Amino acid sequence: RKEVEQDPGPFNVPEGATVAFNCTYSNSASQSFFWYRQDCRKEPKLLMSVYSSGNEDGRFTAQLNRASQYISLLIRDSKLSDSATYLCVVNMGRDDKIIFGKGTRLHILP
Amino acid sequence: EPEVTQTPSHQVTQMGQEVILRCVPISNHLYFYWYRQILGQKVEFLVSFYNNEISEKSEIFDDQFSVERPDGSNFTLKIRSTKLEDSAMYFCASSDRLMNEKLFFGSGTQLSVL
Repeated sequence: RKEVEQDPGPFNVPEGATVAFNCTYSNSASQSFFWYRQDCRKEPKLLMSVYSSGNEDGRFTAQLNRASQYISLLIRDSKLSDSATYLCVVNMGRDDKIIFGKGTRLHILP
Repeated sequence: EPEVTQTPSHQVTQMGQEVILRCVPISNHLYFYWYRQILGQKVEFLVSFYNNEISEKSEIFDDQFSVERPDGSNFTLKIRSTKLEDSAMYFCASSDRLMNEKLFFGSGTQLSVL
């Protein structure tokens, strides 16, 4: 099983719709989880951290399911500017090794 | 907002040459990282660095690679003898604490090995 696995997409979603991505991770000892966003040929930028209790930031909701070893990201009322690649990021719990998934490409359609 | 700065933004080199990629992390950060991203592929972990030593490295980070913090501000990645497959975007990142929270990324150095 890959360390961090995501559906690469692309997800083509009409503006205003709700879209959700999942990400699975292999190491049950993983401690910290994040969603990053990467625009084409730019550096990754933190979108949000993912907490055990789940967390929400405006239109974005992140959830963690430790038992099944996955995290999710929900985007409500999607905007054209949400078009990007969404990267699932996991601290593997071994020293300081923070691993990125391949990313899920999202295209918001007008 | 404070920034991680990387230079140069683009580097072209001949196969077999040595390159040094430079990064200035955010000043009060203590944890430093190098990642690379081959075009169209995932962001790959190379190495993490804390307290003047490597804390973790990946299989990619072989003897051709080295990192250094030569002074209080710079963090460098050296590739001793570049290969064609080293062509990638190299991102430096820093954070202010272990096991948690935000990695601040520089805008990257695009390395092209000819």
